[in-house]
Amino acid sequence: DGGITQSPKYLFRKEGQNVTLSCEQNLNHDAMYWYRQDPGQGLRLIYYSQIVNDFQKGDIAEGYSVSREKKESFPLTVTSAQKNPTAFYLCASSIDRGTNYGYTFGSGTRLTVV
Amino acid sequence: GDSVTQMEGPVTLSEEAFLTINCTYTATGYPSLFWYVQYPGEGLQLLLKATKADDKGSNKGFEATYRKETTSFHLEKGSVQVSDSAVYFCALSAPPGGSGGSNYKLTFGKGTLLTVNP
Repeated sequence: DGGITQSPKYLFRKEGQNVTLSCEQNLNHDAMYWYRQDPGQGLRLIYYSQIVNDFQKGDIAEGYSVSREKKESFPLTVTSAQKNPTAFYLCASSIDRGTNYGYTFGSGTRLTVV
Repeated sequence: GDSVTQMEGPVTLSEEAFLTINCTYTATGYPSLFWYVQYPGEGLQLLLKATKADDKGSNKGFEATYRKETTSFHLEKGSVQVSDSAVYFCALSAPPGGSGGSNYKLTFGKGTLLTVNP
């Protein structure tokens, strides 16, 4: 079955470390997205990509980086510059060819700073 | 720009009660409207959608009607169950340019936490 796989499900980061969250989709979707979700809050867009080798900053890109070398993959790196990285991170994808199509989401990665 | 406003929670109901979660939107052009559900510790799942005015989306006993005249897409269920406890997100997808961007990005509301007690 097609879908989006995020790994790992839980991730622990020490102060000053960079960590990379994986997101892979086999839906042949053009666009991919990264969101951050904090307790009791909505979704905040970090980065998105509409096509391979291109990506755009979202609303809270500072302290994060991404790459889109393959259509199927959109990894997110949380750098040491991100001062408060503890959150739930969600990856999503979409066909991006019309308003009728929503997003398909992964099951998320919970990142905790220790 | 485009925006979605949904009722603030949390909403607490007893099993078999009637549920309404209000959602209103602002958008240029003709957006599609969605409701997503997020169960604890999981990602979001598409619950239902409507792509044009007066369409009714439905799934698992939930319904929402696209009302262009009131710019609303309220979520309803006649009899909730404990298993419906989750966070519900209203969202819209507008044509490029209408949202200030160049692709069909979704704009989400802030989410409404629903707790159903036995």
